[in-house]
Amino acid sequence: EAQVTQNPRYLITVTGKKLTVTCSQNMNHEYMSWYRQDPGLGLRQIYYSMNVEVTDKGDVPEGYKVSRKEKRNFPLILESPSPNQTSLYFCASSFSRTSYEQYFGPGTRLTVT
Amino acid sequence: TQLLEQSPQFLSIQEGENLTVYCNSSSVFSSLQWYRQEPGEGPVLLVTVVTGGEVKKLKRLTFQFGDARKDSSLHITAAQPGDTGLYLCAGGLITGNQFYFGTGTSLTVIP
Repeated sequence: EAQVTQNPRYLITVTGKKLTVTCSQNMNHEYMSWYRQDPGLGLRQIYYSMNVEVTDKGDVPEGYKVSRKEKRNFPLILESPSPNQTSLYFCASSFSRTSYEQYFGPGTRLTVT
Repeated sequence: TQLLEQSPQFLSIQEGENLTVYCNSSSVFSSLQWYRQEPGEGPVLLVTVVTGGEVKKLKRLTFQFGDARKDSSLHITAAQPGDTGLYLCAGGLITGNQFYFGTGTSLTVIP
């Protein structure tokens, strides 16, 4: 089954404790993104990747890191999480940036205390 | 400031009524997409409009892309309770590789 998977689905952590949210897709998609969703703000792109080893900042990259060592995986790293990073996070992928049809993972609900 | 502004933000209507959701920007988009999101799930693509002035229909849903490719609308005819959800417009600009989402419209259809 074609899908985007994220783990964990729920995470409660404390300020400053490094964490990684994994994302994997099995559709051989080139373009992958991370978004955060906050009430009243819609989804905002954090980072995106056009292909392996090619990543770039989105609208809200501060406090986040990403890597794209393999085509299928695109982990999101929070080196020192802060309470303002409490949010719902989505990973998404598409065949290419120009294909526009993005497929989303199930989301990760992160709470930083 | 959001690149894509949606209106209204919230909409509560009776079953059988018609409604229109608007997605506006001052920027030109290469295409616009509409997604629907259920609580606790990721957005799911409904349609992509690419050409200025394009109209697409998906059963009771009609999508239109503005002539100048700066805006789009979603019209639902005879809304059903199953249409309840969060509707999001999204797109990429002509230049650059970022993807932008609108602020969202939360629709509730009351039986």
